[in-house]
Amino acid sequence: KQEVTQIPAALSVPEGENLVLNCSFTDSAIYNLQWFRQDPGKGLTSLLLIQSSQREQTSGRLNASLDKSSGRSTLYIAASQPGDSATYLCAVTGGSYIPTFGRGTSLIVHP
Amino acid sequence: KAGVTQTPRYLIKTRGQQVTLSCSPISGHRSVSWYQQTPGQGLQFLFEYFSETQRNKGNFPGRFSGRQFSNSRSEMNVSTLELGDSALYLCASSLGGQGASYEQYFGPGTRLTVT
Repeated sequence: KQEVTQIPAALSVPEGENLVLNCSFTDSAIYNLQWFRQDPGKGLTSLLLIQSSQREQTSGRLNASLDKSSGRSTLYIAASQPGDSATYLCAVTGGSYIPTFGRGTSLIVHP
Repeated sequence: KAGVTQTPRYLIKTRGQQVTLSCSPISGHRSVSWYQQTPGQGLQFLFEYFSETQRNKGNFPGRFSGRQFSNSRSEMNVSTLELGDSALYLCASSLGGQGASYEQYFGPGTRLTVT
C-alpha cells in the first residue's frame, strides 16, 4: 500500500526566502506525481504534474523534481511571497490510477 | 474553458438523513473522482467513474455511492448520515482515457455538516 509523507508539516518564513517542500513515497512504481496548493476551505489547485519518466517540471517560480529510485519529490519555491501562503499537497498515482495524498505542508509567508 | 463545478457549496443535514452532491467536470473530461477531506484523516479517495462505470473504489462503507451520467456529470450520495460524515467533499476530473496523463483538476468542494 502506497504511503506518502510530507515534511515539514508546517513552515513559516519571511517574504523573499527560497524554500523547499519535501514529499516521500514508499512504492516507486508510480505513474505520476502531482503537486497542489489548497487555500483554507477551498478546493485544490494543480501546480505541477511530473510523469514517471520525467525528472522535473517548472512553472514560474516553482520547480518540482522527482527521484523515483529514492521515493522522493521536492517542490522548490523561489522568492516566496505572502500570496504563496497555503497548504501544499503532493499526490502519487500508481498502477491502480488511484492517487494517494500526503497530509500536506502548511506554509505561511509573512511580510 | 470552465473549471470543475460542484453544487451545492454548503449543506447542513441531520443524522439519519441522506444527501446528494453534484459535480460537473471540465468539458471533454470523462473521469470523475470523489474525495472526502477531514482534519483527522486528510484527503481520502472515495471512488472514480469513467464513461458511466465505476472504475475504482476506495475503502468506504456502502452508504457512500455514486453514479455518472452520459454527459460525464457525476453525483455522489450518502445515506443514513452520521456525525463523522461531516467533511469537505471534493470532486476532481481528468481526461482519464488510456495513455492520458491523469492530471487531476479539482472543484471548490461541498462543505457538509451533519448535526
